[in-house]
This record gives sequence, C-alpha cells and structure tokens, in this order.
Amino acid sequence: QVQVVQSGAEVKNPGASVMISCRASGYPLTTYYVHWVRQAPGQGLEWMGLVNSNNGDTNFIQKFKGRVTVTRDTSTNTVYMILSSLKIEDSAIYYCARGPGDRGDYWGQGTLVTVSS
Amino acid sequence: DIQMTQSPSTLSASIGDRVTITCRASHNINNFLAWYQQKPGKAPKLLIYKASNLESGVPSRFSGSGSGTEFTLTINSLQPDDLATYHCQQYNTYSPITFGGGTKVEIK
Repeated sequence: QVQVVQSGAEVKNPGASVMISCRASGYPLTTYYVHWVRQAPGQGLEWMGLVNSNNGDTNFIQKFKGRVTVTRDTSTNTVYMILSSLKIEDSAIYYCARGPGDRGDYWGQGTLVTVSS
Repeated sequence: DIQMTQSPSTLSASIGDRVTITCRASHNINNFLAWYQQKPGKAPKLLIYKASNLESGVPSRFSGSGSGTEFTLTINSLQPDDLATYHCQQYNTYSPITFGGGTKVEIK
C-alpha cells in the first residue's frame, strides 16, 4: 500500500539550513508530484510548492524561491527538501504529500522544524 | 493569489447532526476544490477532490458540492470520530494552491 514517511524533528539556529526527506513506497515515485505544505503552531496550512518527481521541475511560491532546493533519488523513491537561511518564523510542521498537481492524496506524518537561538 | 474564505471557523454540533461547512473562492476555480480532515496532532487526510468526488475509503456521510466560487462540505449524521479541523484547498492553473483558514468541528 502507498506510504509516505518523512525524516524526524529538527532544531536549527537562525540562518542555518534544514533538510527534510520524504520517502515514498507502494508506488513509483516518478508517477506523481510531491507537494510541500507547512503548518505553523496553531495556524492553518500553507502550500509551499511542488516537485515533478519525473523530471525534477519545481514550482514554489515566491516567498520560498531562492531559499528552497529540492532533489530526488528515484533509486530510493525519496525526495529531499532543503530550506536555507532559516528564520524564527520558519518554525512549523512540514508535510510532504503525494498527489496529482491539484491535491495531495497521501501525506507524510510531518516533520517538526524548530528554529531557535 | 486566490483567497479562500471558510466559514464558520468553529462549529459545535451533536452526534447525528448534519453539518455544513462553506468555502468561498475570490475567483472562479471551476471545480478544483479539495477538502481535507485534520485530526489533532495528525497530518491532513484527503476527503473530497474536484469539489464532489469522494476519495476512496472515505465514509459516505461526507459529501461535497459547488462550483465556481462557492463550495460546501456536508457531514451527514456527525460521528464522534469526526472531531477534527476541516480545510478547503483550491487549485488554479495560473495561481498557487491556497488553503482556507480551517473549520474546527467540536462535538456538543
């Protein structure tokens, strides 16, 4: 069955980078997009962008352009997102989700990123 | 960007009640509207896609309707397991995906 498993919680200093992995199983990674969504404490969901797992093309919203890098390893069915120049306000739970371009149908469990000095 | 306005932000209902949540888009999104359920401490779960299509495995008491700019999620006969926050999400080719602010459903 389809599963999406993310890496564990991270604590980072302001200005550092964080890498979150998103490993898919039960289907070929290249057949779906991977969306990235974050949720600040007590807040709603914020769509960050997505990656075309087939060709690696990405589409992230303006506020993250220049700060986010996404790579994929099709041999391990894993997508990696690196968010750099972290700010306090980047503290959130980060989710990856498999899906067609318009929605996420299988979600990872979430990765808590805490940015604190 | 397309703004999504959900209402109410919180609702309290009794077991067996019919519950309706509304989501309004600032621009026409045709039927590209999804609904998610998020239980406390958990990841969102897809319930409805393309406004009215029930995701596989989702109980039939959930239904969605609407097109253009106004959409509704209905829960027929509310169950204790339905305690959650519900989010709408739009997709438009020319604009980033955006979510509504969420509706927290409480059981009376």
